Amino acid sequence: GAGVSQSPRYKVAKRGQDVALRCDPISGHVSLFWYQQALGQGPEFLTYFQNEAQLDKSGLPSDRFFAERPEGSVSTLKIQRTQQEDSAVYLCASSLGAGAGTDTQYFGPGTRLTVL
Amino acid sequence: QKEVEQDPGPLSVPEGAIVSLNCTYSNSAFQYFMWYRQYSRKGPELLMYTYSSGNKEDGRFTAQVDKSSKYISLFIRDSQPSDSATYLCAMKTQGGSEKLVFGKGTKLTVNP
Repeated sequence: GAGVSQSPRYKVAKRGQDVALRCDPISGHVSLFWYQQALGQGPEFLTYFQNEAQLDKSGLPSDRFFAERPEGSVSTLKIQRTQQEDSAVYLCASSLGAGAGTDTQYFGPGTRLTVL
Repeated sequence: QKEVEQDPGPLSVPEGAIVSLNCTYSNSAFQYFMWYRQYSRKGPELLMYTYSSGNKEDGRFTAQVDKSSKYISLFIRDSQPSDSATYLCAMKTQGGSEKLVFGKGTKLTVNP
């Protein structure tokens, strides 16, 4: 079946521009996660949703970062007034959200953001 | 100090070698331990998932967790060139947030 899809796959922005990154989770998956992966680093947690509720946004680095999942399916990560340090791969993951500790997170291919 | 430490390598081995990858962590609340494999320009994919301490084997892969030492390992037997990738350890607590905390990743190259 279809996995997690993300768009665009690549995004180049000028410093100060706003960007929006989209994630389509696996159908039926309740939980959705956003991670940021800088070059040569492991993914760092940003935020996650259970259905449309944002349960943890402790990883968002500043108030320029905003995520939403209004209908409990597709999610958008928005970054306002982009800075060079925002350059990274933004990974989306989804899981069944059954509440079991062994709930597996399935990752999309990521959106590579470059801020010039 | 980061919650999860992982030597980034790079690690280069000949085909057929046994590979040992490991991570240490500082948060004793971690109960679930995972190994993900990430090919270049792809998202991470889950390899192994272990709850609490112990060993788990799946084909050529064995995961070990030693909670008393806060140390986890992944062993790859009979390594193949197709195993060349970055290996990420990840952990999460029981209850609370479902977020994963990742290590930096170890880049492995298996030479034919």
